[in-house]
Amino acid sequence: DAGVIQSPRHEVTEMGQEVTLRCKPISGHDYLFWYRQTMMRGLELLIYFNNNVPIDDSGMPEDRFSAKMPNASFSTLKIQPSEPRDSAVYFCASRTGLTTDTQYFGPGTRLTVL
Amino acid sequence: DAKTTQPPSMDCAEGRAANLPCNHSTISGNEYVYWYRQIHSQGPQYIIHGLKNNETNEMASLIITEDRKSSTLILPHATLRDTAVYYCIVRPYNFGNEKLTFGTGTRLTIIP
Repeated sequence: DAGVIQSPRHEVTEMGQEVTLRCKPISGHDYLFWYRQTMMRGLELLIYFNNNVPIDDSGMPEDRFSAKMPNASFSTLKIQPSEPRDSAVYFCASRTGLTTDTQYFGPGTRLTVL
Repeated sequence: DAKTTQPPSMDCAEGRAANLPCNHSTISGNEYVYWYRQIHSQGPQYIIHGLKNNETNEMASLIITEDRKSSTLILPHATLRDTAVYYCIVRPYNFGNEKLTFGTGTRLTIIP
């Protein structure tokens, strides 16, 4: 298996622009997670899905952030409009439906908003 | 979520066993102990997890004290590639508790 795939790996954009991050979970995994990592706040859970349905979005910082999972093999995290404070590494993770299973992380997308 | 306490940094000589401690004194009976590591510029990587018995896999061993208030991750023969930040996390295993709360972890440096 190729593991969790994220694209792009690096994104540089200007303040006010729309940014879309993409994730392909491991095939057969029921859960998908979006995390954000910064030096100041560490690794934070933003939102997670179960069977393509958003379950907990309490970590989404504000309305500028939105996430979708149109099917079992694809998810997007969108920031509109982007701000410099959104600069971070964004990770996607997935896992199976077993309650004791662990999360497998992708390589991340490094976002820089100028 | 139960909180964990880890030393901020540790050094270990290459080829020696690296023992990383973690305190989780408020752990509940239904919470597992998970260990992840994050090598620079990569996503967190799962290492091992356990409930109350000691566990071993191809990467590491996990020793959990009988009262479950602390644990130790053991890398038996550390290599330079083991240099990373190691996170100890506790999580309930019941459905609906999906959040993995990553603390600040232990930065392990393997010295040649």
